[in-house]
Amino acid sequence: DVVMTQSPLSLPVTLGQPASISCRSSQGLVNNDGNTYLTWLQQRPGQSPRRLIYKVSNCDSGVPDRFSGSGSGTDFTLKISRVEAEDVGVYYCMQGTHWPYTFGQGTKLEIK
Amino acid sequence: EVQLVESGGALVKPGGSLRLSCAASGFTFSNAWMSWVRQAPGKGLEWVGLIKSKTEGGTTGYAALVRGRFTISRDDSKNTLYLEMSSLRTEDTAVYFCTTLSYGGPDSWGQGTLVTVSS
Repeated sequence: DVVMTQSPLSLPVTLGQPASISCRSSQGLVNNDGNTYLTWLQQRPGQSPRRLIYKVSNCDSGVPDRFSGSGSGTDFTLKISRVEAEDVGVYYCMQGTHWPYTFGQGTKLEIK
Repeated sequence: EVQLVESGGALVKPGGSLRLSCAASGFTFSNAWMSWVRQAPGKGLEWVGLIKSKTEGGTTGYAALVRGRFTISRDDSKNTLYLEMSSLRTEDTAVYFCTTLSYGGPDSWGQGTLVTVSS
């Protein structure tokens, strides 16, 4: 199985400051169709997860533009340009290129 | 608006069976790939399996930990997804989420249903 490794696992951030989460895969994530199926999800406390970004850098509808995704091959990054209070929660990367799909361990973002 | 409503979670003894349902609305269910994802208490997310649309073969795929014990099916006439679970183990205790799938990842999620496996 493809192992997804996130860092850091805990991310204390001051309101208004940027934040960055890294996700590394144990294998390349380019699919046979040429797409890279790397997704970022947010899970706020007590809520179901919500997709933020798909195919590395495409934002889902309604996602604030302070969220962005980048990367290629085996290294990917989620960036939040200016953290707001509502961003508190756990962030997961996941790959949908190789079956079984796999998630990262999660990164817990908290406000300092 | 997409809605996914899971049901069927319960307390079950080890070795027992359970069927979860996910009622879908707000989109064309028959065209959708669907999946189940679970989350053990206080833990991260874990894939259970997926099912493609019937027009794409209706194929299923399962995580190794549940393969042979869990079965995903769909009833497009009822807009409902199912997860049949048997030979349940204590480590299957989790909230089970139903999701739609697009672009290689889960987009819409239900609220989840809790399965507790304990004697």
